[in-house]
Amino acid sequence: KAGVTQTPRYLIKTRGQQVTLSCSPISGHRSVSWYQQTPGQGLQFLFEYFSETQRNKGNFPGRFSGRQFSNSRSEMNVSTLELGDSALYLCASSLGELRSGEKLFFGSGTQLSVL
Amino acid sequence: AQSVAQPEDQVNVAEGNPLTVKCTYSVSGNPYLFWYVQYPNRGLQFLLKYITGDNLVKGSYGFEAEFNKSQTSFHLKKPSALVSDSALYFCAVRDNRNSGYSTLTFGKGTMLLVSP
Repeated sequence: KAGVTQTPRYLIKTRGQQVTLSCSPISGHRSVSWYQQTPGQGLQFLFEYFSETQRNKGNFPGRFSGRQFSNSRSEMNVSTLELGDSALYLCASSLGELRSGEKLFFGSGTQLSVL
Repeated sequence: AQSVAQPEDQVNVAEGNPLTVKCTYSVSGNPYLFWYVQYPNRGLQFLLKYITGDNLVKGSYGFEAEFNKSQTSFHLKKPSALVSDSALYFCAVRDNRNSGYSTLTFGKGTMLLVSP
């Protein structure tokens, strides 16, 4: 069974641009959650999607948004990029929602650099 | 608001010795607790979780963790460390109030270095 796939692996953007990251969950998994990892802040929850609906959202500005498609694939969008958005963005999938306490399967992440 | 503290940025241990990576938490209600490990240039991998039941939880790669409600701790342990255990370890918590707005909170991570 294929794991969680994130594309692209690396991205370089400039301030003010927008970016879209993609995540394909493990087949059969309906929950996709997104995380931002930085050396200073550690791993922070962005949002969770389950059955095409946003279930939970972390404490991030509205520039960060996402969506989930009927095949459970998810995209995350960041608009008006800032230098501080440089980070490793991880997505994770699970069979059930986060609140069910199931274990997460993580992708290898997208490393975003904002210049 | 829920929170997780991993008080040590780095833990050093010699191969063959026991290891402990500490985690304390703060949450309303009873917690769901997790440990994940991150190897270089890779995503996180699940090690173990505590939902309910026995306070001693056994997980992958010989790791175990003990849930201590009175001390609000969930320390990760292994009886005999391997060099290949060297990685970044994350503790995570979410409350189980079954709220639609629950989130998963991670600690800042502890780097484990096992020397030969």
